Amino acid sequence: AQKVTQAQTEISVVEKEDVTLDCVYETRDTTYYLFWYKQPPSGELVFLIRRNSFDEQNEISGRYSWNFQKSTSSFNFTITASQVVDSAVYFCALIKGGGADGLTFGKGTHLIIQP
Amino acid sequence: GAGVSQTPSNKVTEKGKYVELRCDPISGHTALYWYRQSLGQGPEFLIYFQGTGAADDSGLPNDRFFAVRPEGSVSTLKIQRTERGDSAVYLCASSLMGITDTQYFGPGTRLTVL
Repeated sequence: AQKVTQAQTEISVVEKEDVTLDCVYETRDTTYYLFWYKQPPSGELVFLIRRNSFDEQNEISGRYSWNFQKSTSSFNFTITASQVVDSAVYFCALIKGGGADGLTFGKGTHLIIQP
Repeated sequence: GAGVSQTPSNKVTEKGKYVELRCDPISGHTALYWYRQSLGQGPEFLIYFQGTGAADDSGLPNDRFFAVRPEGSVSTLKIQRTERGDSAVYLCASSLMGITDTQYFGPGTRLTVL
């Protein structure tokens, strides 16, 4: 079975600092997909990014960037110049290529951006 | 366009009662999923529908839980003889086609069993 570990339970930084959220995964499948979701206080999960196991290119979207490294089974998420609106719980998730068992989520990292 | 919607947003019931939770997926999405999220945890997979049929129900915790999607659109999650341990937020998601497509989530139904 697959597993996703987000070792950082809570991170607190001051606005404008850069912050990296760690995600380490375990799977025996060679084909899989990785995701990051944001869950603001309102509770609705918001999709941020999807990455397949054959695409190790890093991605940047505005202040957000993602670093996927198969060698270390990691898919880390960096927010540059953090803002108060970035405060939320962030989840990393994985699904295997066949799709069975649905998305496997980590326990989430609660990010607090202080003004 | 409209996102995934779920009703009710909150449901309080007594132990032993029956409850139904409804999910309206994004229009045109053929795949629909139910997850359960307990406090301080990530969502846990319950069941996946492709069209009208349950393609994977391996996450349903026991036979008190059942879900249907009779016309391939709206889905209902049904819980019989509710227990206090069933208290959680029940999330619904949909994706355009298959289970490995991006899943878009609804706001959830917070179920409280007294």
